[in-house]
Amino acid sequence: TQLLEQSPQFLSIQEGENLTVYCNSSSVFSSLQWYRQEPGEGPVLLVTVVTGGEVKKLKRLTFQFGDARKDSSLHITAAQPGDTGLYLCAGAWAGGFKTIFGAGTRLFVKA
Amino acid sequence: KAGVTQTPRYLIKTRGQQVTLSCSPISGHRSVSWYQQTPGQGLQFLFEYFSETQRNKGNFPGRFSGRQFSNSRSEMNVSTLELGDSALYLCASSLGEGVSNQPQHFGDGTRLSIL
Repeated sequence: TQLLEQSPQFLSIQEGENLTVYCNSSSVFSSLQWYRQEPGEGPVLLVTVVTGGEVKKLKRLTFQFGDARKDSSLHITAAQPGDTGLYLCAGAWAGGFKTIFGAGTRLFVKA
Repeated sequence: KAGVTQTPRYLIKTRGQQVTLSCSPISGHRSVSWYQQTPGQGLQFLFEYFSETQRNKGNFPGRFSGRQFSNSRSEMNVSTLELGDSALYLCASSLGEGVSNQPQHFGDGTRLSIL
C-alpha cells in the first residue's frame, strides 16, 4: 500500500513563530506537491518539487524534497494568521495517472 | 481564466438514491481527476479521465462511476447511496498526459450529505 504520512496532524501556534511540517513515505515519487486548503474551498497548489534534494522558497515558505524522493518538508517562517489552513502533501509517479494525498496537517495561527 | 467549476455546491440525498456530480475543467485541460474527502480518511483518489478514457481507478466500489465528454467536462455518479458516502467530492484538472509533475487545479467541491 502506498501511503503518505504527514506530521504533525494538528498544530496551533502564535503569530510570529516558525514551524515545520513533514511528509514521509516508503515509496519513491517522481514529484511531490504541497497544497493548502481553507474551509469550504478546494486545495490550492503551493509548489511542486521533482528533483531529490530540491529546495524551493515561496516568500516565507520553504519546501524541501528529500534526496531519495521519499519525503518532504514545509517550513514556515514567522507564521501569520493568514497561514491558517490544512496543508496537504501529494505524491505522484510518472505515467501513474494517479496522485495520493497525505491526511494533512491542520495549522492554526493565533494572532 | 475561469477555474474548475463543480456543480452543485451542496446536495442532500437519502439512502438508496443516486446522484450525479458535474465538473468543468479549466479550458485546455484534458485530464480530470475525482477525489472524495472525509474527516476520517482525508483525500481519497476515485478515478482519472483523459480524452474520455478512464486511465486509473481508486479502491472504491462499483457504485462509484464516472465519465468524461469530448469537451473534457466530467461527471461522476454514485448509485445506491449509503450514509458513509457523505463527503466533499473534489474534482481537479490538469493539462493532460499524466498527473505526474502536472499541477492539479481543484474546484471547490460538492458537499454531499446523505440522510
